[in-house]
Amino acid sequence: DIQMTQSPSSVSASVGDRVTITCRASPGISSWLAWYQQKPGKAPKLLISGATSLQSGVPSRFSGSGSGTDFTLTISSLQPEDFATYYCQQAKSFPLTFGGGTKVENK
Amino acid sequence: EVQLLESGGGLVQPGGSLRLSCAASGFTFSSYAMSWVRQAPGKGLEWVSGVSSSGGSAYYTDSVKGRFTISRDNSKNTLYLQMNSLRAEDAAVYYCAIVESSAWYVGDWGQGTLVTVSS
Repeated sequence: DIQMTQSPSSVSASVGDRVTITCRASPGISSWLAWYQQKPGKAPKLLISGATSLQSGVPSRFSGSGSGTDFTLTISSLQPEDFATYYCQQAKSFPLTFGGGTKVENK
Repeated sequence: EVQLLESGGGLVQPGGSLRLSCAASGFTFSSYAMSWVRQAPGKGLEWVSGVSSSGGSAYYTDSVKGRFTISRDNSKNTLYLQMNSLRAEDAAVYYCAIVESSAWYVGDWGQGTLVTVSS
């Protein structure tokens, strides 16, 4: 199975901060990577697919980069509605696997 | 508007069975692969199973192989997950979700149904 490792597990940040979350795949997954946002008590929301493609309606402050084994989700200027938990997921092979999640908290 | 309505969750004893259903509307159900994803209380997301648009191919995470069966009825726009030999570690909110047409990314999600496994 492909292992997805996210870091950090949590990050404390303020509105306006730049936030970077990392996801590492072992073995490599080319660009078969998605990022999700989940708020408490809600279903996850797909933000980015194919490592870099922003889903329709997702604000442009979100961006994704990387390929192979190392990927990054960046929030360029954190907004109040962005406090949530973020997950990466590989779609290279079955079983599909998620990273452990990164909680973005208010500093 | 896309709607996914899960049902069938509840309390079951270890070793018992449950059948989850997901009624889909607002899109052409037969054109999309579907998945079940679960989340144990306070934990992260875990992909459980997926099925192709026709129902001809099914995929599972290792921990549920041989115990869970995914299926779909395209005439009823409904996705199922038959869960047998349930264990305490299967307790979670189970989400039904649409798989993106481009790849096995999870697009729209239902609101989830809670499965509790306890004696």
